[in-house]
Amino acid sequence: IAGITQAPTSQILAAGRRMTLRCTQDMRHNAMYWYRQDLGLGLRLIHYSNTAGTTGKGEVPDGYSVSRANTDDFPLTLASAVPSQTSVYFCASSTQVNTEAFFGQGTRLTVV
Amino acid sequence: DQQVKQNSPSLSVQEGRISILNCDYTNSMFDYFLWYKKYPAEGPTFLISISSIKDKNEDGRFTVFLNKSAKHLSLHIVPSQPGDSAVYFCAASDTGGGNKLTFGTGTQLKVEL
Repeated sequence: IAGITQAPTSQILAAGRRMTLRCTQDMRHNAMYWYRQDLGLGLRLIHYSNTAGTTGKGEVPDGYSVSRANTDDFPLTLASAVPSQTSVYFCASSTQVNTEAFFGQGTRLTVV
Repeated sequence: DQQVKQNSPSLSVQEGRISILNCDYTNSMFDYFLWYKKYPAEGPTFLISISSIKDKNEDGRFTVFLNKSAKHLSLHIVPSQPGDSAVYFCAASDTGGGNKLTFGTGTQLKVEL
């Protein structure tokens, strides 16, 4: 089934540890995004990539990094996790402008 | 600075009646607007969209209205069904700046029997 796959589904992480959230899409979409969802704040854009080889910063990029080596994969790395990064993370992808973004099922991350 | 605002955190409606969810935005560069629906433990799913060149878009039970002068959009669901109970997010995009979406904080809709 075509779509976006995120891994892991959930994770408890000790503060200070490094963590990579994985995201893979098989729809050949050019653009990919990482959002975090927090209660009362909606979904906020962390980083995005308009095409393979390029990335950009979103609204809340601090503490996160991304790479886009190919069209399908867009991993999100927390170099040194902090409790404020406890959140639900959603990866999304889209094709050309004016089309909707498709979301993965999310990764629930708890930093303790 | 919240550029997309959903001022009602929750809404309760009886089955069969109309649900109206509201959204306001401040960025005049936004020219494409979307509504997403989200169930617990799932990712948001696209519901309906509208371009700024239109003031209404309809898809089955769902209609989105856009009032550009007021920077306001609304989602109407008629008739409401229990399966519509979910969190609804309004989102906006400045298509000249790419396809990045700015989301509102969401409205929890509960459709009661």
